[in-house]
Amino acid sequence: GENVEQHPSTLSVQEGDSAVIKCTYSDSASNYFPWYKQELGKGPQLIIDIRSNVGEKKDQRIAVTLNKTAKHFSLHITETQPEDSAVYFCAARKYNTDKLIFGTGTRLQVFP
Amino acid sequence: EPEVTQTPSHQVTQMGQEVILRCVPISNHLYFYWYRQILGQKVEFLVSFYNNEISEKSEIFDDQFSVERPDGSNFTLKIRSTKLEDSAMYFCASGGRMNTEAFFGQGTRLTVV
Repeated sequence: GENVEQHPSTLSVQEGDSAVIKCTYSDSASNYFPWYKQELGKGPQLIIDIRSNVGEKKDQRIAVTLNKTAKHFSLHITETQPEDSAVYFCAARKYNTDKLIFGTGTRLQVFP
Repeated sequence: EPEVTQTPSHQVTQMGQEVILRCVPISNHLYFYWYRQILGQKVEFLVSFYNNEISEKSEIFDDQFSVERPDGSNFTLKIRSTKLEDSAMYFCASGGRMNTEAFFGQGTRLTVV
């Protein structure tokens, strides 16, 4: 069935360093890949997304890359700040459905 | 900035009781969703709703669950007879068009005792 694997489960970085979170998906029909940031006690907040017709998308310090052949996509955060600390979820969705399949989450801690 | 709002933020209920979780989606959105997140686990899809009917549901969404958009602004999730394993965070989400981004509410923590 559909599955999204996410690594690592926890990630600690020094402020100013980069952080990379990786996901793989099983269903080759997936064509939409959002990333959500979840702070304690809040709902998932969309931070960036990418569709299967592009390989990379950037928004200030955040970028997402997609390798359709390998069914991998990654979130890159540069110049991390303490306020980037949160749980990050990747997700995937097929073209003919509204259902998002979420990864297991990565707890990112940025130390000052 | 428009947002999805959910009430209550926390609901405690006895096993076997009915609960209704409420959501007000973003006002011009047409697609509505419920997801749940059991503590420490991934976010799981429950159901999607469009044009006043369920468009897709997961195997979690059995006969104990139902959804409704009673008045054109609220979107509700009803659990008829709660079980201990229904304890989770329930997130409502909405989207403007099919296959576009979904925006999530802050969640309702349901605790079944």
